[in-house]
Amino acid sequence: GAVVSQHPSWVICKSGTSVKIECRSLDFQATTMFWYRQFPKQSLMLMATSNEGSKATYEQGVEKDKFLINHASLTLSTLTVTSAHPEDSSFYICSARRAEGTYNSPLHFGNGTRLTVT
Amino acid sequence: GQQLNQSPQSMFIQEGEDVSMNCTSSSIFNTWLWYKQDPGEGPVLLIALYKAGELTSNGRLTAQFGITRKDSFLNISASIPSDVGIYFCAGRRAGGTSYGKLTFGQGTILTVHP
Repeated sequence: GAVVSQHPSWVICKSGTSVKIECRSLDFQATTMFWYRQFPKQSLMLMATSNEGSKATYEQGVEKDKFLINHASLTLSTLTVTSAHPEDSSFYICSARRAEGTYNSPLHFGNGTRLTVT
Repeated sequence: GQQLNQSPQSMFIQEGEDVSMNCTSSSIFNTWLWYKQDPGEGPVLLIALYKAGELTSNGRLTAQFGITRKDSFLNISASIPSDVGIYFCAGRRAGGTSYGKLTFGQGTILTVHP
């Protein structure tokens, strides 16, 4: 149980275009999803917290107008990288917590999306 | 954001050897989690710890929540080649507005030689 699916697994886009990444909880409902960014050989850095039915909360230094997050249902959150630049190339990973869980519930991660901006 | 201090950064061991890695922080955490990440994939939860002093096992893996609530360690016994990967500790701080948010360590890259 507790499967989180991300799509696409990898994407290549041209500079200036926008890319949407989906994060789905397949066998549970998730009121909260988190979006992380990971550069090669580095740790995961939290970008934003996505709450179903409300605005996302962004971490300091993360541009909310560049990284648009929508959490329209209890099983889906999307991250859109707008006007992508080569420096946005990274591994983006989402995680989700069960709706019936507490803040202490373990987070289950998706398999990540490798974004390459040319 | 704040990161946990995880060590060692990398380990090269022979198959069959035991492995130990740890995380420390200057802040108190009320949850410690250990994840393993294979190349090109998301982290997979190995062990979750919720109480200071708690010692939990998952097969050949054993992890402990430090009594000061500022550290945790992970041991892997009798390592096998499929243990290769990056191991991350992650913690949730007590209190504050960081509801459910995790702070990650820098990771330990484990290489196991057959």
